[in-house]
Amino acid sequence: GEDVEQSLFLSVREGDSSVINCTYTDSSSTYLYWYKQEPGAGLQLLTYIFSNMDMKQDQRLTVLLNKKDKHLSLRIADTQTGDSAIYFCAESPTGNQFYFGTGTSLTVIP
Amino acid sequence: DTEVTQTPKHLVMGMTNKKSLKCEQHMGHRAMYWYKQKAKKPPELMFVYSYEKLSINESVPSRFSPECPNSSLLNLHLHALQPEDSALYLCASSGQGRGNSPLHFGNGTRLTVT
Repeated sequence: GEDVEQSLFLSVREGDSSVINCTYTDSSSTYLYWYKQEPGAGLQLLTYIFSNMDMKQDQRLTVLLNKKDKHLSLRIADTQTGDSAIYFCAESPTGNQFYFGTGTSLTVIP
Repeated sequence: DTEVTQTPKHLVMGMTNKKSLKCEQHMGHRAMYWYKQKAKKPPELMFVYSYEKLSINESVPSRFSPECPNSSLLNLHLHALQPEDSALYLCASSGQGRGNSPLHFGNGTRLTVT
């Protein structure tokens, strides 16, 4: 499989911005995704970015893509306690192959 | 609410039992997946069905047996499992078309093998 790396933990104060980083390996990946997993639940698709874009904004979420460095980030503005979860990036170089990052556990401190 | 439904939510089984996990989606997706997830780890791919045919088996032990009765349903039959098979089992589906076809996950079945 592919090596998709994320830092394991992130802790922020409520109201601050969170930035979760991801490095991927397959430059042919057409779409890159961010998923959120709350305790006891499956993975929820949050947002995605097409590889010919360098930024995408969706309400409080901003995705930045640096294709040259194979670096993807997810910024959450005005982070709330409900944002506490594990966040996974994923790349998809082919139609039915998805490679997930190691996951970042976000803790929001009230 | 997820559009991929998995049952049961929780399952406890002994090592000699036979049980099945079920998954259903009505999004018209033609690819369905089984993933295994250990605590705080990323999901690990087990099987992929594409147009109701098994297209990927990630060297999964034969005590796990997938079945795709039709394009909306996916089962995972379990027999003679080991305690290390205890995990969250996630079903997912995708459109598998040209363009953006992300995975849509169910909420999983929490399996405990005693």
